[in-house]
Formats: sequence, structure tokens, C-alpha cells
Amino acid sequence: ETGVTQSPTHLIKTRGQQVTLRCSSQSGHNTVSWYQQALGQGPQFIFQYYREEENGRGNFPPRFSGLQFPNYSSELNVNALELDDSALYLCASREVGDLGSGYTFGSGTRLTVV
Amino acid sequence: AQSVTQLGSHVSVSEGALVLLRCNYSSSVPPYLFWYVQYPNQGLQLLLKYTTGATLVKGINGFEAEFKKSETSFHLTKPSAHMSDAAEYFCAVIVNSGYSTLTFGKGTMLLVSP
Repeated sequence: ETGVTQSPTHLIKTRGQQVTLRCSSQSGHNTVSWYQQALGQGPQFIFQYYREEENGRGNFPPRFSGLQFPNYSSELNVNALELDDSALYLCASREVGDLGSGYTFGSGTRLTVV
Repeated sequence: AQSVTQLGSHVSVSEGALVLLRCNYSSSVPPYLFWYVQYPNQGLQLLLKYTTGATLVKGINGFEAEFKKSETSFHLTKPSAHMSDAAEYFCAVIVNSGYSTLTFGKGTMLLVSP
């Protein structure tokens, strides 16, 4: 198992810019979710992808968008960055239908918006 | 919709003392329950999980948790705290409904003093 890998590990952006975060899912996992974790908070669900389509979304505005590729890697894109977007962004993957195994998480990307 | 409540944002124990981190959930359907641990500047690591069967589940690093349906609880315990246990702990729930993703509590920071 290679686990879930995310890049970059840290990123600093200016308010109004756009950012793309990347995730490589664990081998064999075809479902990927993205979470936002603000300082001192629990992770908040952004959206989930399965078979390259979004199949669930949390309470985040449309400027948060994503992609999943045929090799199950994925991207999180955020447009028009705001200061409140500063957070740790976590990618997590699982095999569809295998809820009991839970999700495997990456180490996250720390985004700072200035 | 499901939700998770973790009582106590911070719990302090002495090394060697019992660790008890509380988690209550609400769900209209039978849930799968998880505890994750997060060390500073890292992602989430699965400690243990409850799916079906035995209600007392054992995890890594000497932790265990008991699923009590009547109390809608899934408290995390460890008989003897170690300094290396200092971290943030998250309880999470997933149900087999809709797009099925994790819902987290706000987390409990465990502080261990010598």
C-alpha cells in the first residue's frame, strides 16, 4: 500500500488568487473525499468523488470545485481565495462499498491566504 | 443526518493515569464509528473502528472503545496514559445512506503531564 499522498505540503496565496491542491489515492481506492480543517476545529466535508463524478457535497460555495481522474487521483480547486480559506486541506480515500474500513487520510496541505 | 458530539475540548491526565475521551453520536440508521488521532501538523490516523459484532473494539497503541447503542456512545479509553499519547482525537461516524461520508466531532486535545 502506498497510502494517500498530497501535494504541496504548504502553500501561501494572496486573497483573490486561485489554488489547486493535489491528491493521489491509496491503491485500490476509487472514492475520494476532501475536507477542510480550520485551526482548532474538526474536519469539515467539502465534497466526494466516485468514478470521476461528484456524488456528494458539503456546505461549501461553488468556488470550491474538484476533479477525479481515471487513475483515481484528484484535485481540489479554490477560486477567489478568501482569508477564511486558510486551513489544512485533507484528502481521504476508500474503496466504494467498504464503509467499514473507514477512510485513509493524507497528511494534508496547509494553505495560508494573506 | 448524523452528528457527533465530543465532550471536552481538552482533557488533561498524568502519565500512567486512565484516559477517557467521550463521544456521543446521533444517527437514524446503524452507524459505523471511528476514532482518529492527529499529531501536530499531520493528517488523521485511524485508531480503531466499530462496524458490527463485538461492541468492545481494540485499536492501536493500547486504546479501546465500547459501542453502547442504548447510550448512543462510543467512548475511547486507555488504561495508562503515555507521554506519546498527547495529540488531538476525533470521533467520527459514517452511515450507509446517500453518498456516505465521515462526519467528525470537534475533537478533544489530550494533554499528558509527567
